[in-house]
Amino acid sequence: DGGITQSPKYLFRKEGQNVTLSCEQNLNHDAMYWYRQDPGQGLRLIYYSQIVNDFQKGDIAEGYSVSREKKESFPLTVTSAQKNPTAFYLCASQGQAFNSPLHFGNGTRLTVT
Amino acid sequence: QKEVEQNSGPLSVPEGAIASLNCTYSDRGSQSFFWYRQYSGKSPELIMSIYSNGDKEDGRFTAQLNKASQYVSLLIRDSQPSDSATYLCAVNMRGGYQKVTFGTGTKLQVIP
Repeated sequence: DGGITQSPKYLFRKEGQNVTLSCEQNLNHDAMYWYRQDPGQGLRLIYYSQIVNDFQKGDIAEGYSVSREKKESFPLTVTSAQKNPTAFYLCASQGQAFNSPLHFGNGTRLTVT
Repeated sequence: QKEVEQNSGPLSVPEGAIASLNCTYSDRGSQSFFWYRQYSGKSPELIMSIYSNGDKEDGRFTAQLNKASQYVSLLIRDSQPSDSATYLCAVNMRGGYQKVTFGTGTKLQVIP
């Protein structure tokens, strides 16, 4: 079955450590996105990528970095510069048609102490 | 003004009633609109998409779009306790890329 796989489901890190969240899709979608969700909040866009080797900052990119070396993969690194990294992180992909919806992975819940 | 606005709720309706969820957006040129359902601790799942003015029905769900007034709504008929969740409105804004912007969501509680 086609879909988006995020791993791990839960991640615990100490403050000051960088951590990388994995996102892989086999939907053959060009666009991929990373969102952050805090309790009781909506989704806020961190980074997005429309094609391989290209990506753009979203609304809250500070303290995060991404790469897009392959169409299928869009890993997100949460760096030690991110002031409040504990959150639920969602990866999504989108087809080329302008009216295509986002398809989400199951999310990674990151806790930094 | 937020790009996509929703009433955070909670919206409480009795089982079997119609739940009405509303969303307004700021970019008049937006063309694609989506409703996602999100259960607590889970990722959003797409339940409806709408692109043209008017109503679109799918089972117990009806999406309504009024581009002149810049609002989109979701009606849930015969509400069930399993419909209790947060409903996210998403808008595909204009621009050089397909930027999908989400509202903060409306929490729906269906009371048995």
